[in-house]
Parts: sequence; C-alpha cells; structure tokens
Amino acid sequence: SQKIEQNSEALNIQEGKTATLTCNYTNYSPAYLQWYRQDPGRGPVFLLLIRENEKEKRKERLKVTFDTTLKQSLFHITASQPADSATYLCAPVNYGQNFVFGPGTRLSVLP
Amino acid sequence: NAGVTQTPKFRVLKTGQSMTLLCAQDMNHEYMYWYRQDPGMGLRLIHYSVGEGTTAKGEVPDGYNVSRLKKQNFLLGLESAAPSQTSVYFCASTPTRNPNYGYTFGSGTRLTVV
Repeated sequence: SQKIEQNSEALNIQEGKTATLTCNYTNYSPAYLQWYRQDPGRGPVFLLLIRENEKEKRKERLKVTFDTTLKQSLFHITASQPADSATYLCAPVNYGQNFVFGPGTRLSVLP
Repeated sequence: NAGVTQTPKFRVLKTGQSMTLLCAQDMNHEYMYWYRQDPGMGLRLIHYSVGEGTTAKGEVPDGYNVSRLKKQNFLLGLESAAPSQTSVYFCASTPTRNPNYGYTFGSGTRLTVV
C-alpha cells in the first residue's frame, strides 16, 4: 500500500531563514502533489498544488518542487516568520482518487 | 460564506453511548469526507460520499456509520462509543475529484470517550 513520510515530526528554525520540509512517498505514482497548512485547533487549509510536469512552483514566499524519480516533494518557506509556525501536510494525489495525507511536519519559527 | 461547519466542537462521551457529528457545507460541493486525526498517524479516511444519497467506506470505517440525505449535510454516527474512538474528527468537501481543487476542511470536533 502507498506510504507517505514527512521529515521529522518537528522542525525548529530561526526567523528569516529558509525552512525546508520534505514529503516522500512509496508504492505510488501521483500526478499531482498538494500542500496544506494546519494551525492548532483548526482544520487543514489548502496552500498549493504542483503537477508532475512542473518540477517547481512558487507562490509568494513559498516554493515547492516535485521530483517523480526520487518520489519526493520539497516545500520551502523563504524569509520565514513566526506567523509561519504551523503543521504542514502533503498529499500526493491522482485524478479521481480520494486524497491520502502525510502525517505532517510541525514547523516552529523562532523570533 | 461559512464554508464547512462542524458541530459540536467538543464532546465527552461515556463508553457505549452514541452520538452524531454534523457536517454542513454551503459551497454546493458534491464530495464530502470524514477523517479522524490522531497524533503520529495523520488524517485517516473513515467514510466518504460522492453525492447526495451515496456513502462509501474509507480506510477505518469500523464502529462508524454515515448518511448523506441532503447534499449539504454529511452525518457521522457512533453507535456505541469506545475509548479507541477518542480523536479529532474533521469533515472535508470538494466540488470534484480533480486534484486542481483542494479539500475544504471544517474546524474539527474533539471527541473524548471515557
């Protein structure tokens, strides 16, 4: 069955630095990969999507890469701020299928 | 525009009691989902619906039932609650299974079974 792993449960980073979160998947060949943000006590919020032929996508301070050979997506937050502190979930998906989510990485940006 | 609304937000049940969690969406979405989220295990799909009047089992359906009598509502029932059902429950919806659309989630229901 498909397996999704995200790097360490928690990641601490200093304000202003670039945070890099990893999403690895096995036994699966997704054509898309979504990233969500979840704040404590709230549901996940959809951030962005990258397609298998896009390799890299940017949205403001966010950058996502998608390497189908390595079966990996990297999620970067540049110039990180304390307000970026949250749990980030990845979801490798295919058209017509229910989404399966990774366990998430809890990011803490320290002032 | 409220999005996805879940009620109640918190609930404590005794083992063996029953309850229903309500999810309501005002976006005219076809697809609705119930997930549970436990520490270290991420979101796991309980049941889902691909349209009014339909339901289907997800990854962890045992001990739960669902109904979707109206397009905007998706109910999750626990007939005889067990401590293993202590969790945070999230409802989500989407207009289509096209991955270009993300899921819209509710704020969750924190359920404790004692």
